[in-house]
Amino acid sequence: SQQGEEDPQALSIQEGENATMNCSYKTSINNLQWYRQNSGRGLVHLILIRSNEREKHSGRLRVTLDTSKKSSSLLITASRAADTASYFCATDANQGGKLIFGQGTELSVKP
Amino acid sequence: DAGVIQSPRHEVTEMGQEVTLRCKPISGHDYLFWYRQTMMRGLELLIYFNNNVPIDDSGMPEDRFSAKMPNASFSTLKIQPSEPRDSAVYFCASSPKTGVHGELFFGEGSRLTVL
Repeated sequence: SQQGEEDPQALSIQEGENATMNCSYKTSINNLQWYRQNSGRGLVHLILIRSNEREKHSGRLRVTLDTSKKSSSLLITASRAADTASYFCATDANQGGKLIFGQGTELSVKP
Repeated sequence: DAGVIQSPRHEVTEMGQEVTLRCKPISGHDYLFWYRQTMMRGLELLIYFNNNVPIDDSGMPEDRFSAKMPNASFSTLKIQPSEPRDSAVYFCASSPKTGVHGELFFGEGSRLTVL
Protein backbone atom coordinates (compact mmCIF):
# COMPACT_ATOMS: atom_id res chain seq x y z
CA SER A 1 0.00 0.00 0.00
CA GLN A 2 1.23 3.48 -0.81
CA GLN A 3 1.74 5.82 2.10
CA GLY A 4 3.20 8.83 0.38
CA GLU A 5 1.99 10.45 -2.79
CA GLU A 6 4.21 12.86 -4.66
CA ASP A 7 3.02 15.81 -6.63
CA PRO A 8 3.59 16.58 -9.43
CA GLN A 9 4.20 13.23 -11.11
CA ALA A 10 6.50 14.96 -13.58
CA LEU A 11 8.26 18.30 -13.60
CA SER A 12 10.29 19.91 -16.36
CA ILE A 13 12.35 23.04 -15.70
CA GLN A 14 15.32 24.96 -17.07
CA GLU A 15 18.75 24.84 -15.51
CA GLY A 16 19.09 27.46 -12.80
CA GLU A 17 15.43 27.38 -11.82
CA ASN A 18 14.17 26.00 -8.54
CA ALA A 19 12.28 22.70 -8.40
CA THR A 20 9.65 22.00 -5.78
CA MET A 21 8.18 18.56 -5.18
CA ASN A 22 5.48 17.75 -2.68
CA CYS A 23 4.63 14.65 -0.72
CA SER A 24 1.45 13.86 1.16
CA TYR A 25 0.99 10.93 3.48
CA LYS A 26 -1.89 9.35 5.33
CA THR A 27 -0.89 8.22 8.80
CA SER A 28 1.28 9.59 11.59
CA ILE A 29 5.01 9.19 11.12
CA ASN A 30 8.27 9.15 13.04
CA ASN A 31 10.27 10.56 10.17
CA LEU A 32 10.10 11.27 6.47
CA GLN A 33 12.91 10.69 4.03
CA TRP A 34 13.63 11.79 0.48
CA TYR A 35 15.48 9.63 -2.03
CA ARG A 36 16.72 10.17 -5.55
CA GLN A 37 16.87 7.60 -8.33
CA ASN A 38 18.76 8.09 -11.54
CA SER A 39 17.49 6.12 -14.51
CA GLY A 40 18.48 2.48 -14.27
CA ARG A 41 20.11 2.89 -10.86
CA GLY A 42 19.30 2.24 -7.23
CA LEU A 43 17.84 4.80 -4.87
CA VAL A 44 20.12 7.16 -3.00
CA HIS A 45 19.20 8.77 0.30
CA LEU A 46 19.07 12.57 0.26
CA ILE A 47 17.73 13.77 3.58
CA LEU A 48 15.76 12.67 6.63
CA ILE A 49 13.47 14.95 8.62
CA ARG A 50 12.01 13.88 11.94
CA SER A 51 8.40 14.44 12.92
CA ASN A 52 9.40 17.11 15.45
CA GLU A 53 11.35 19.10 12.85
CA ARG A 54 9.80 21.62 10.50
CA GLU A 55 12.63 22.38 8.11
CA LYS A 56 15.98 20.95 7.18
CA HIS A 57 18.70 21.98 4.75
CA SER A 58 21.43 20.07 2.97
CA GLY A 59 23.40 21.93 0.34
CA ARG A 60 20.94 22.99 -2.38
CA LEU A 61 18.17 20.92 -0.81
CA ARG A 62 15.54 22.26 1.53
CA VAL A 63 12.91 20.01 3.06
CA THR A 64 9.90 21.11 5.02
CA LEU A 65 7.48 19.02 7.02
CA ASP A 66 3.98 19.95 8.12
CA THR A 67 2.61 17.17 10.29
CA SER A 68 -0.74 18.91 10.73
CA LYS A 69 -1.28 18.72 6.97
CA LYS A 70 0.58 15.42 6.62
CA SER A 71 2.75 16.86 3.90
CA SER A 72 6.35 17.56 3.03
CA SER A 73 8.10 19.44 0.27
CA LEU A 74 11.53 19.11 -1.29
CA LEU A 75 13.04 22.22 -2.84
CA ILE A 76 16.08 21.99 -5.07
CA THR A 77 17.55 25.43 -5.65
CA ALA A 78 19.56 26.50 -8.70
CA SER A 79 18.88 23.20 -10.45
CA ARG A 80 21.42 21.57 -12.73
CA ALA A 81 21.02 19.13 -15.60
CA ALA A 82 22.61 16.51 -13.32
CA ASP A 83 19.61 16.83 -10.97
CA THR A 84 17.50 15.06 -13.59
CA ALA A 85 16.16 12.00 -11.78
CA SER A 86 13.11 10.64 -9.99
CA TYR A 87 12.58 11.79 -6.42
CA PHE A 88 10.73 9.74 -3.84
CA CYS A 89 9.48 10.46 -0.38
CA ALA A 90 9.33 7.63 2.13
CA THR A 91 7.77 7.32 5.54
CA ASP A 92 7.78 4.75 8.28
CA ALA A 93 4.02 5.09 8.72
CA ASN A 94 4.43 3.92 12.31
CA GLN A 95 4.79 0.38 11.02
CA GLY A 96 7.87 -0.70 12.84
CA GLY A 97 10.91 -0.99 10.63
CA LYS A 98 9.09 -0.62 7.34
CA LEU A 99 9.83 2.27 5.01
CA ILE A 100 7.03 2.92 2.54
CA PHE A 101 7.75 4.86 -0.65
CA GLY A 102 5.55 7.12 -2.72
CA GLN A 103 5.20 6.90 -6.48
CA GLY A 104 7.83 9.56 -7.12
CA THR A 105 8.25 12.78 -9.09
CA GLU A 106 10.17 12.61 -12.32
CA LEU A 107 12.28 15.75 -12.62
CA SER A 108 13.80 16.84 -15.90
CA VAL A 109 16.23 19.76 -15.88
CA LYS A 110 16.99 21.08 -19.33
CA PRO A 111 20.38 22.70 -19.96
CA ASP B 1 33.52 0.67 1.15
CA ALA B 2 31.58 -1.55 -1.19
CA GLY B 3 27.90 -0.80 -1.22
CA VAL B 4 25.05 -3.27 -1.40
CA ILE B 5 25.85 -5.78 -4.12
CA GLN B 6 23.12 -7.48 -6.11
CA SER B 7 23.33 -10.17 -8.73
CA PRO B 8 22.43 -10.75 -11.44
CA ARG B 9 21.90 -7.22 -12.75
CA HIS B 10 19.72 -8.54 -15.55
CA GLU B 11 17.86 -11.82 -15.87
CA VAL B 12 15.66 -12.96 -18.70
CA THR B 13 13.84 -16.22 -18.17
CA GLU B 14 10.85 -18.12 -19.38
CA MET B 15 7.61 -18.56 -17.51
CA GLY B 16 7.76 -21.48 -15.11
CA GLN B 17 11.49 -21.26 -14.48
CA GLU B 18 13.01 -20.72 -11.07
CA VAL B 19 14.67 -17.38 -10.46
CA THR B 20 17.14 -16.65 -7.67
CA LEU B 21 18.24 -13.11 -6.91
CA ARG B 22 21.17 -12.50 -4.60
CA CYS B 23 22.18 -9.70 -2.28
CA LYS B 24 25.23 -8.90 -0.20
CA PRO B 25 24.45 -6.14 2.30
CA ILE B 26 26.92 -3.62 3.66
CA SER B 27 29.00 -5.17 6.40
CA GLY B 28 27.71 -4.30 9.85
CA HIS B 29 24.19 -3.47 8.75
CA ASP B 30 21.63 -5.34 10.81
CA TYR B 31 18.64 -4.75 8.55
CA LEU B 32 18.05 -6.03 5.04
CA PHE B 33 15.08 -5.14 2.84
CA TRP B 34 13.81 -6.51 -0.46
CA TYR B 35 11.76 -4.15 -2.63
CA ARG B 36 10.15 -4.59 -6.03
CA GLN B 37 9.70 -1.69 -8.46
CA THR B 38 7.26 -1.58 -11.36
CA MET B 39 5.74 1.27 -13.32
CA MET B 40 2.25 0.32 -12.22
CA ARG B 41 2.82 -0.27 -8.50
CA GLY B 42 5.94 1.73 -7.75
CA LEU B 43 8.25 0.53 -4.99
CA GLU B 44 6.77 -2.24 -2.87
CA LEU B 45 8.38 -3.65 0.25
CA LEU B 46 8.39 -7.43 -0.01
CA ILE B 47 10.17 -8.51 3.16
CA TYR B 48 12.73 -7.34 5.64
CA PHE B 49 15.16 -9.04 8.01
CA ASN B 50 16.73 -8.00 11.29
CA ASN B 51 19.87 -9.89 12.28
CA ASN B 52 19.10 -12.52 9.64
CA VAL B 53 15.58 -13.15 10.99
CA PRO B 54 12.56 -12.33 8.79
CA ILE B 55 10.52 -9.70 10.61
CA ASP B 56 7.76 -8.84 8.18
CA ASP B 57 6.96 -10.74 5.00
CA SER B 58 3.47 -9.36 4.53
CA GLY B 59 4.49 -7.80 1.22
CA MET B 60 5.50 -11.10 -0.37
CA PRO B 61 2.91 -11.45 -3.12
CA GLU B 62 2.45 -15.20 -3.21
CA ASP B 63 3.82 -18.50 -2.01
CA ARG B 64 5.87 -18.59 -5.19
CA PHE B 65 8.12 -16.01 -3.54
CA SER B 66 10.53 -16.91 -0.76
CA ALA B 67 13.44 -15.11 0.84
CA LYS B 68 16.24 -16.32 3.05
CA MET B 69 19.14 -14.82 4.90
CA PRO B 70 21.42 -17.68 5.96
CA ASN B 71 24.05 -15.31 7.36
CA ALA B 72 24.73 -11.62 7.88
CA SER B 73 26.40 -11.20 4.51
CA PHE B 74 24.03 -12.92 2.12
CA SER B 75 20.36 -13.01 1.22
CA THR B 76 18.37 -14.58 -1.61
CA LEU B 77 14.97 -13.91 -3.09
CA LYS B 78 13.59 -16.86 -4.98
CA ILE B 79 10.61 -17.05 -7.34
CA GLN B 80 9.41 -20.51 -8.25
CA PRO B 81 7.71 -20.84 -10.66
CA SER B 82 8.14 -17.44 -12.28
CA GLU B 83 5.34 -15.71 -14.20
CA PRO B 84 5.36 -12.77 -16.65
CA ARG B 85 3.74 -10.52 -14.04
CA ASP B 86 6.83 -10.96 -11.87
CA SER B 87 8.79 -8.86 -14.35
CA ALA B 88 10.16 -5.93 -12.37
CA VAL B 89 13.31 -4.48 -10.89
CA TYR B 90 14.09 -6.05 -7.54
CA PHE B 91 16.11 -3.99 -5.09
CA CYS B 92 17.93 -5.04 -2.00
CA ALA B 93 18.72 -2.43 0.63
CA SER B 94 20.47 -2.55 3.97
CA SER B 95 20.52 -0.31 6.99
CA PRO B 96 22.32 -0.15 10.29
CA LYS B 97 19.01 0.81 11.88
CA THR B 98 15.35 0.37 11.05
CA GLY B 99 13.75 2.55 8.44
CA VAL B 100 12.26 4.42 11.36
CA HIS B 101 15.53 5.99 12.33
CA GLY B 102 17.98 5.71 9.50
CA GLU B 103 18.52 5.76 5.80
CA LEU B 104 18.47 2.76 3.54
CA PHE B 105 21.41 1.93 1.27
CA PHE B 106 20.19 0.43 -1.99
CA GLY B 107 21.87 -1.87 -4.43
CA GLU B 108 21.69 -1.23 -8.17
CA GLY B 109 18.84 -3.67 -8.59
CA SER B 110 18.17 -6.86 -10.52
CA ARG B 111 16.01 -6.35 -13.58
CA LEU B 112 13.92 -9.46 -14.14
CA THR B 113 12.07 -10.18 -17.36
CA VAL B 114 9.86 -13.26 -17.47
CA LEU B 115 8.73 -14.20 -20.98
